[in-house]
Amino acid sequence: QVQLKESGPGLVQPSETLSLTCTVSGFSLTSYSVSWVRQPSGKGPEWMGRMWYDGDTAYNSALKSRLSISRDTSKNQVFLKMNSLQTDDTGTYYCTRAGSPGYFDYWGQGVMVTVSS
Amino acid sequence: DIQMTQTPSSMPASLGERVTISCRASQGISNYLNWYQQKPDGTIKPLIYYTSNLQSGVPSRFSGSGSGTDYSLTISSLEPEDFAMYYCQQYDSSPWTFGGGTKLELK
Repeated sequence: QVQLKESGPGLVQPSETLSLTCTVSGFSLTSYSVSWVRQPSGKGPEWMGRMWYDGDTAYNSALKSRLSISRDTSKNQVFLKMNSLQTDDTGTYYCTRAGSPGYFDYWGQGVMVTVSS
Repeated sequence: DIQMTQTPSSMPASLGERVTISCRASQGISNYLNWYQQKPDGTIKPLIYYTSNLQSGVPSRFSGSGSGTDYSLTISSLEPEDFAMYYCQQYDSSPWTFGGGTKLELK
């Protein structure tokens, strides 16, 4: 069955870089796009960016200067790197599959990231 | 960016009650509107896509409607497992954006 699982450090120092990995199973990264979505505590989710099935990427303009999404299809993994982290980047980070453009039909369990010294 | 406003932000309701959650976009989104449910443990589940299409496996007590800038999610008869957070999301234009959420609480 389709599964996505995020992994990465739970604590990041301010001004440092966040690196997260999304490991997928049950589908091919060359057939579906994968997005990263984050959610500050008590707020609505925010779409961050996506890796298209063809390897192209798209980013939320609000994060574009700090964000990079890549993948390794041989390992079924999608990566997120975001630099210059600040305290308001604290939240839960999810990877999601888009069953069709713009519709997230499967979600990972999420990984909590705290930005603090 | 398109802003999505959900009302109410919280809604006390009883088992068996019919409830409707509203979502308004800051501009027309041509029915490109999805709904998701989030449980307290953070698990997010898709419910409805393209305004009114039920995701496979979602009970038929859930339904969606709307057009233009105004959309709604209706639960016809609340079950215990329906008490959760609900979010709308537009995908008419990038960046795709979510509403602030509606918390459905047991009265």
